[in-house]
Amino acid sequence: AQRVTQPEKLLSVFKGAPVELKCNYSYSGSPELFWYVQYSRQRLQLLLRHISRESIKGFTADLNKGETSFHLKKPFAQEEDSAMYYCAPQLPVFIIQGAQKLVFGQGTRLTINP
Amino acid sequence: GAGVSQSPSNKVTEKGKDVELRCDPISGHTALYWYRQSLGQGLEFLIYFQGNSAPDKSGLPSDRFSAERTGGSVSTLTIQRTQQEDSAVYLCASSPKRKGYEQYFGPGTRLTVT
Repeated sequence: AQRVTQPEKLLSVFKGAPVELKCNYSYSGSPELFWYVQYSRQRLQLLLRHISRESIKGFTADLNKGETSFHLKKPFAQEEDSAMYYCAPQLPVFIIQGAQKLVFGQGTRLTINP
Repeated sequence: GAGVSQSPSNKVTEKGKDVELRCDPISGHTALYWYRQSLGQGLEFLIYFQGNSAPDKSGLPSDRFSAERTGGSVSTLTIQRTQQEDSAVYLCASSPKRKGYEQYFGPGTRLTVT
């Protein structure tokens, strides 16, 4: 069965420190990988898409096929990064005529301490 | 422009009653999704609609749950004979054609079953 695991429900780091939010998946094949974020009192929104290989708000996500991981990283955390982060690896089989069933991890609540 | 809207924002109901949750997607988005967000369970896919195709109902937890989408726009999620375990935030999202990963989420409906 497809499974995505975010092992840390809560993560707390100090401002300016590096942050890494872990995500592991157990799919065969080559999933496409996404991170979604939900800031306090805001809507869930797409943060970044692995295939675009871009850095969003200083965050990057590295795909490690050998470890089947897709960890989200930022070298210097900022207070505004405090939010709930969800990893969502997807297989092409979940894409039907453009619609895409996202399978989310359980989420990690990141708190940046001043 | 206007984002995804959901109503009501909060709903308290007694166990055994039926509830209807409404979602208005972004105009022009062909795909519409329902998810459930609950403590300890993370985000759970429920159902999605894409154009005139048959909906993917694979995530509906029981036959008490149903959803419809009228005219390719507004969607209603109905929960019959509500149970306490149905208490959660129900999220709706929509996406443009061919970009199903880029889902735009609504603010959610918080359902409390007493």
